[in-house]
Amino acid sequence: AQSVTQLGSHVSVSEGALVLLRCNYSSSVPPYLFWYVQYPNQGLQLLLKYTTGATLVKGINGFEAEFKKSETSFHLTKPSAHMSDAAEYFCAVSARDNYGQNFVFGPGTRLSVLP
Amino acid sequence: KAGVTQTPRYLIKTRGQQVTLSCSPISGHRSVSWYQQTPGQGLQFLFEYFSETQRNKGNFPGRFSGRQFSNSRSEMNVSTLELGDSALYLCASSLGTGGSMSSGNTIYFGEGSWLTVV
Repeated sequence: AQSVTQLGSHVSVSEGALVLLRCNYSSSVPPYLFWYVQYPNQGLQLLLKYTTGATLVKGINGFEAEFKKSETSFHLTKPSAHMSDAAEYFCAVSARDNYGQNFVFGPGTRLSVLP
Repeated sequence: KAGVTQTPRYLIKTRGQQVTLSCSPISGHRSVSWYQQTPGQGLQFLFEYFSETQRNKGNFPGRFSGRQFSNSRSEMNVSTLELGDSALYLCASSLGTGGSMSSGNTIYFGEGSWLTVV
């Protein structure tokens, strides 16, 4: 079965600083990888996804992520944090397991942006 | 274009009761999936429906069930509620030709239904 780990349940950065949210996955088959953002009292919104092709994926709001198969990682970055980026971020993997096609979320990382 | 709509947004139930949550997908989307979000367990996949058929299922007990109608609207039901079922239940839809996850299709989430079991 696949799994997802996100290093750091809470990350704080200063406004204008680099954002780096870490995601590592395990999967016995090539997965699809996703990053979602959740603002308070709202559902999830897709930031970006990797399915096939180019390993550097650009998403909305200036975010991007790079799929590194050798490191089983899919870290999310943004060059300059904005106050509006404060939210919870979820990495997710979709892959086939014994139960069929499953979709597993990581535990989430709460991003705080300090003025 | 209307997004994914979930009803009710908030509800309180008593242990032992059953609850039905409703989800209307984005127009034209045929795949609907359900997720449970709790502080302790995080986000967990419940099941996915496409063309009225359950395509994938997560590791939840049989008390959790769902169905999809011909208009792609979906309901999920939890019977014999337990305190631990208190959670945010999220519905998501996608175009999907055979199950959104298998093709990596983008899924769009509703705002969720907050269930409190007392």
